[in-house]
Amino acid sequence: QSALTQPASVSGSPGQSITIPCTGTSSDVGSYNLVSWYQQNPGKAPKLMIYEVTKRPSGVSYRFSGSKSGNTASLTISGLQAEDEADYYCCSYAGGSTLVFGGGTKLTVL
Amino acid sequence: QVQLVESGGGVVQPGRSLRLSCAASGFTFSRYTIHWVRQAPGKGLDWVAVVSYDGSHRNYADSVKGRITISRDNSKNTLYLQMNSLRPEDTAVYYCARDGGGTILPGYQDYSFDLWGQGTLVTVSS
Repeated sequence: QSALTQPASVSGSPGQSITIPCTGTSSDVGSYNLVSWYQQNPGKAPKLMIYEVTKRPSGVSYRFSGSKSGNTASLTISGLQAEDEADYYCCSYAGGSTLVFGGGTKLTVL
Repeated sequence: QVQLVESGGGVVQPGRSLRLSCAASGFTFSRYTIHWVRQAPGKGLDWVAVVSYDGSHRNYADSVKGRITISRDNSKNTLYLQMNSLRPEDTAVYYCARDGGGTILPGYQDYSFDLWGQGTLVTVSS
């Protein structure tokens, strides 16, 4: 159950697009289309942004999208806004009813 | 109001026990698989345990296996986490989180967390 790998930080200017990669292995990300992404603001509970790699829950902005290639999943935020500044976590099913999170990425909007 | 509310956190000495609760309201609790996820201060999210919608299946992260037991009482709409032999590294905010799959079909899992509680802080320290 090793953590998925995410960059510690990413940044972008308002209006730009950024992508956060999440690298796992053939035992988790690579084997299942069960990757989800969470946004967490300081002192708050996480919020679901993407599930099953590409699906967006009701109420989440269309500016958030997910994808996967091989053992790496990605979260893309287009038209970056100041309110997007937060920590982002990926999570993948890892078999045997277990899940594994990424280490988290701090997004800074310049 | 659809929500999960955790309770039971506090300061406990190493080696002691603590039981957390998670009260659900506003939705049909018995349809959903529920998880515990924790977050150490200043650190990332860490999956801890899962219990199926009917309580028949449970699983744990290797780091807590043998020390922690997850359970639920669907008649009380409540989830529990019994933590024994606590260690300083168990210090964290503990969240209960609902698997979104139950919205589609009772017991179905999509392995995403669509509803979270506000968390309860457990501090293990002498």
